[in-house]
Amino acid sequence: GAGVSQSPSNKVTEKGKDVELRCDPISGHTALYWYRQSLGQGLEFLIYFQGNSAPDKSGLPSDRFSAERTGGSVSTLTIQRTQQEDSAVYLCASSSPPPYTEAFFGQGTRLTVV
Amino acid sequence: KQEVTQIPAALSVPEGENLVLNCSFTDSAIYNLQWFRQDPGKGLTSLLLIQSSQREQTSGRLNASLDKSSGRSTLYIAASQPGDSATYLCAVRLVTGANSKLTFGKGITLSVRP
Repeated sequence: GAGVSQSPSNKVTEKGKDVELRCDPISGHTALYWYRQSLGQGLEFLIYFQGNSAPDKSGLPSDRFSAERTGGSVSTLTIQRTQQEDSAVYLCASSSPPPYTEAFFGQGTRLTVV
Repeated sequence: KQEVTQIPAALSVPEGENLVLNCSFTDSAIYNLQWFRQDPGKGLTSLLLIQSSQREQTSGRLNASLDKSSGRSTLYIAASQPGDSATYLCAVRLVTGANSKLTFGKGITLSVRP
């Protein structure tokens, strides 16, 4: 596609429910990243994919968070048993191939846990 | 651990002023540095990418410089306009990998007064 696409754009869920957030990167971009942006906070790195593998998942805040990527394309971030502190905007990015690894971001998914 | 600092957190200027936004980082072993713009409720838009071997990049009224040895980058905006009002973030990618994660500063919220 022309840009990084994320869905849904907004998600309201009840505490304790599971949610899935989707990211469709730019075609041909092998690197994909998930970040979280809480109100008034900076961007917090969650996980990075190279192809279908995740060489760096150091930012996942707890074992309730998981992510996968299939076919070297679409990625899904899953949050189990959501808590109110999970409320944030979840941003996905993909990078053009080396050497000019420019990152492009999607519009984000605003998650609200009530 | 790489830390990225952007000071001040907010800036208000009259229309037409030339301005400089600063970014500093603690680990000079970077692969590249990228400047982004974020409008309220939106994702990040890439403005400029500077490779570690470059000193500056220009796009229209924007010019970004990089001084790796001192751990600094500046974004220069010429003849500012109200439409430039947004949050500006810088992010660095370490030399450990061309596709390694970006580490972000918290951003500078710019307001350009008509």
